[in-house]
Amino acid sequence: DAMVIQNPRYQVTQFGKPVTLSCSQTLNHNVMYWYQQKSSQAPKLLFHYYDKDFNNEADTPDNFQSRRPNTSFCFLDIRSPGLGDAAMYLCATSRELPEQFFGPGTRLTVL
Amino acid sequence: GESVGLHLPTLSVQEGDNSIINCAYSNSASDYFIWYKQESGKGPQFIIDIRSNMDKRQGQRVTVLLNKTVKHLSLQIAATQPGDSAVYFCAEAVFYNNNDMRFGAGTRLTVKP
Repeated sequence: DAMVIQNPRYQVTQFGKPVTLSCSQTLNHNVMYWYQQKSSQAPKLLFHYYDKDFNNEADTPDNFQSRRPNTSFCFLDIRSPGLGDAAMYLCATSRELPEQFFGPGTRLTVL
Repeated sequence: GESVGLHLPTLSVQEGDNSIINCAYSNSASDYFIWYKQESGKGPQFIIDIRSNMDKRQGQRVTVLLNKTVKHLSLQIAATQPGDSAVYFCAEAVFYNNNDMRFGAGTRLTVKP
C-alpha cells in the first residue's frame, strides 16, 4: 500500500518554465519534507512543514517554493527552473524523528 | 559548518560475508543517528537508528555502533545478500533544530554472488 505518493514520477520541463511537483501521504504525519537529490549525492533538505509551520533551509534558493494546503498534500513549486535544478526530488513524512518515510521521488529533467 | 560524512564511497563484498559501512560525524549535539538504504530508482528506506546516549543497537541482520569519543558511526550487515546491494546513507537528527535531518554522503554496497 502506497504511503507517500509522488506525482509525476518523471517530469520534463523547459528552461524557465514553472513546474509543480506534488506529494501526498496516507500516514497522517504532521511533518512533511522536500529533498533534492542529484546523481550520486546525498539528499539535500530544501524545506519542511511542521503542521502548517514552514521551515526553509538557509541555502534553499528563492526559486523553490512550497505549499501545504492540508495534512495530506504538499507541493514543490520551481518558479524558473534552470539546468542545475535537474535532479530527483524526494518527499518524506514523519510523525516524529528519527524515522522518515520517503516517496519514490520525481525525476525532473530541464531542457 | 558541522557535517556528516562517510569514509568510503564504494564497498564490494561476497554474498554471505559481513559488511561494515562507516560514517564520521562532527556535530556532537545530534540526538539520533540513522542509517538509510536507497535502491536504484527508489526513495531512501529507514533501516535502523541509534540514540546519542547509546553505543550499540541491533536489528534484524544489522547492528549499528556509535563511538562518540571519535565521532564515528558504523553499520554492520550480517550474511550480506544480493538484495542488500544499494547505496547506504548515514544521517543525523537534531531535535532542537526543528525536526531537521541531515544526510551524509553515501556508500555504494555491491554484493557479488
